[in-house]
Amino acid sequence: DAKTTQPPSMDCAEGRAANLPCNHSTISGNEYVYWYRQIHSQGPQYIIHGLKNNETNEMASLIITEDRKSSTLILPHATLRDTAVYYCIVRANFGNEKLTFGTGTRLTIIP
Amino acid sequence: NAGVTQTPKFRVLKTGQSMTLLCAQDMNHEYMYWYRQDPGMGLRLIHYSVGEGTTAKGEVPDGYNVSRLKKQNFLLGLESAAPSQTSVYFCASSRGEKNIQYFGAGTRLSVL
Repeated sequence: DAKTTQPPSMDCAEGRAANLPCNHSTISGNEYVYWYRQIHSQGPQYIIHGLKNNETNEMASLIITEDRKSSTLILPHATLRDTAVYYCIVRANFGNEKLTFGTGTRLTIIP
Repeated sequence: NAGVTQTPKFRVLKTGQSMTLLCAQDMNHEYMYWYRQDPGMGLRLIHYSVGEGTTAKGEVPDGYNVSRLKKQNFLLGLESAAPSQTSVYFCASSRGEKNIQYFGAGTRLSVL
């Protein structure tokens, strides 16, 4: 699996866009970028994933650089409920491949 | 709208005792997983299953056994609990084709 690197923590003001970076310089051609988050004491929650095109859903947007070596998760209007640990995971999009969770980025939304 | 349900939510064991954690999913998913999460760390895969009647070892399988007798259930057993198994245990399931995993709320286990 490709390794990912994320900042350990970030703060963002409530109502502003939260931009969470992730580096994955060893990503291979068939690997997708997945984002999950874990709100305190809860199970992880899927947010979004993508291969090479930018993706958007009701929760967030995912911007992947053209060389696919890094990506950014964007929460457009952060709320206090978005305070969580965010995990960037690179994985093939098939089969029973396990998710490898690193230590993620602890995002704190400031009122 | 249950999704993935884990029982129990909390448990305290004495060293050497045994117990079984139950995971049930109502989404007809083929794949199921057991993870553990220690304080300040990410999740680590214990065992997983790609279908009814099948199981496989993950990253940290020692001290645990699993069974998948029914498609909707995945059981995690501790035969002789040790303090090192104090952790939060999460179960997840997925269809497999897009590898989106859906997680339960977790079981907090303390072994004294």
